[in-house]
Amino acid sequence: QVQLVQSGAEVKKPGASVKVSCKASGYTFTSYDINWVRQATGQGLEWMGWMNPNSGNTGYAQKFQGRVTMTRNTSISTAYMELSSLRSEDTAVYYCARGWGAAAAAFDYWGQGTLVTVSS
Amino acid sequence: QSALTQPPSASGSPGQSVTISCTGTSSDVGGYNYVSWYQQHPGKAPKLMIYEVSKRPSGVPDRFSGSKSGNTASLTVSGLQAEDEADYYCSSYAGSNDYVFGTGTKVTVL
Repeated sequence: QVQLVQSGAEVKKPGASVKVSCKASGYTFTSYDINWVRQATGQGLEWMGWMNPNSGNTGYAQKFQGRVTMTRNTSISTAYMELSSLRSEDTAVYYCARGWGAAAAAFDYWGQGTLVTVSS
Repeated sequence: QSALTQPPSASGSPGQSVTISCTGTSSDVGGYNYVSWYQQHPGKAPKLMIYEVSKRPSGVPDRFSGSKSGNTASLTVSGLQAEDEADYYCSSYAGSNDYVFGTGTKVTVL
């Protein structure tokens, strides 16, 4: 069965970087895009960007350009999202999600989420 | 890219229907038939309920249906059940490999 398993919770200081991993299993990792979505406590979902695990091509939401980097290691079927210059507003649960269907616009499987807390 | 607009809340009694709207622009909802809907229970990851405006993934009850007219998409939940109480989010392809989510709607089963 398809699974996306994310790394554990992180606590970071303002200005630091965080790198969250997302390990895929149950399907061919290079056949589907991986998207990253975040959700601050009590707030809505916010799309951050996508990565094609086959080519390594990426696309980032304008809000995060220059601060986010999405990479992958195909040998271990794992995607990574690194966010730099962290500030308190980046405190949120970060999800990876598989893109599926036409335009890969449907996110059909999600990771369990990784809580990133930014605090001095 | 601005978030798609959803009503903050909606409610209905068990067995009734509730419809949630999702309003965007001609650059996202109105421009593509790539609207999805997600259900999220507290503390859980979102779950795909509708994709490509009106298609249901395997395992999603046919009580859930989607439609679109112009720049507004809608999700209807018929025959409301207690387990349908959750937050619902729409999303849309917005061109150039960009995606945007809605502001979210809390559905309460009275």
